[in-house]
Amino acid sequence: EDQVTQSPEALRLQEGESSSLNCSYTVSGLRGLFWYRQDPGKGPEFLFTLYSAGEEKEKERLKATLTKKESFLHITAPKPEDSATYLCAVRYRYNFNKFYFGSGTKLNVKP
Amino acid sequence: ETGVTQTPRHLVMGMTNKKSLKCEQHLGHNAMYWYKQSAKKPLELMFVYSLEERVENNSVPSRFSPECPNSSHLFLHLHTLQPEDSALYLCASSQGTSEKLFFGSGTQLSVL
Repeated sequence: EDQVTQSPEALRLQEGESSSLNCSYTVSGLRGLFWYRQDPGKGPEFLFTLYSAGEEKEKERLKATLTKKESFLHITAPKPEDSATYLCAVRYRYNFNKFYFGSGTKLNVKP
Repeated sequence: ETGVTQTPRHLVMGMTNKKSLKCEQHLGHNAMYWYKQSAKKPLELMFVYSLEERVENNSVPSRFSPECPNSSHLFLHLHTLQPEDSALYLCASSQGTSEKLFFGSGTQLSVL
């Protein structure tokens, strides 16, 4: 059973073309939802943590939002350096040792 | 040096070899993790150590053997691996097991 589903699998944008990435999760005792960025040949790098529905976090061109069933990572006016794979992970109350990761969205921003 | 450091960065081994992956964290964290990352699959948790005690063993085959001698070091000992074990192995650390993870750059393992 999939705990975390990310869409789309891949996304190609022109520089300046805003869009959103989606992360949906099974609902039952969410402890936290995490967004990471992963560049080729590197480990994931932490971006945001969201804990409750309605919460929003921003960092430069990125904005993460959370509802009771899903999270969005909005990218405003992206630049080529935003190209990376974006991973979503969820922690549940019943097993807080474990992160459930999605398969990621590979973003390619063309100049 | 800061962050989480993994060595080696690349490893090619035969199915009968024995090798070890090393991870060192310089963040003062008390929890360390091994994850496996295969192409187009979610990260798979393998092991979690909290305060040097293994608290999670995610049904990993016995050909993978973790070791955590202290809160700063984590090893993954490999023996008689299979080609399907080829993947990127990532080490991570956190302060407490419910906080965000800090990852190393990984070891890209190829089993021939």
